[in-house]
Amino acid sequence: AQSVTQLGSHVSVSEGALVLLRCNYSSSVPPYLFWYVQYPNQGLQLLLKYTSAATLVKGINGFEAEFKKSETSFHLTKPSAHMSDAAEYFCAVSLGSGNTGKLIFGQGTTLQVKP
Amino acid sequence: DADVTQTPRNRITKTGKRIMLECSQTKGHDRMYWYRQDPGLGLQLIYYSFDVKDINKGEISDGYSVSRQAQAKFSLSLESAIPNQTALYFCATSDPGTGVSTDTQYFGPGTRLTVL
Repeated sequence: AQSVTQLGSHVSVSEGALVLLRCNYSSSVPPYLFWYVQYPNQGLQLLLKYTSAATLVKGINGFEAEFKKSETSFHLTKPSAHMSDAAEYFCAVSLGSGNTGKLIFGQGTTLQVKP
Repeated sequence: DADVTQTPRNRITKTGKRIMLECSQTKGHDRMYWYRQDPGLGLQLIYYSFDVKDINKGEISDGYSVSRQAQAKFSLSLESAIPNQTALYFCATSDPGTGVSTDTQYFGPGTRLTVL
């Protein structure tokens, strides 16, 4: 069965510092992996997606994530945090190839950015 | 205009009441989903539909029912609401096509439901 674990429910960084949000997955087949962001009082927006092409995926707002099969990880990074990055971030996995369209979500990580 | 809309955005109700949450989309997607979000638990899938005639239970369907009235509309009902159904509910859509659009889900703004 597929599963996703996000390490750390809350991450706090200073403005300008590196952002690192951790995600590990479990999947019996090559997965599709996603990062979504949820700003306060809004729905989820897609940040980026891995679909078995390049292992380093670039997303919106300067975020990127690297797929590491040997570590079963898909960590999200941004070199320099901005106040507007404060939000909740969700990692998700699917079987891919449009088989089911179902996503399994991690429990979420709240990012706080301090001035 | 938003591609995925949900009504109402906020609702307070009492235990035992029947509640319907509605979702509409203009993206032309066949697949639609209902999730609930609880703090610390992420999003859990309640029901999903691949087309008007194909509806499936998700991880936590007990106490919920759905109706797919048309390609663009997917409603979630709580027949007899209870306090532990207090949560944020999201509708989402996806396109089962190929390429980069596959499996990407597009979310509505959410409905905050409180059951007293």
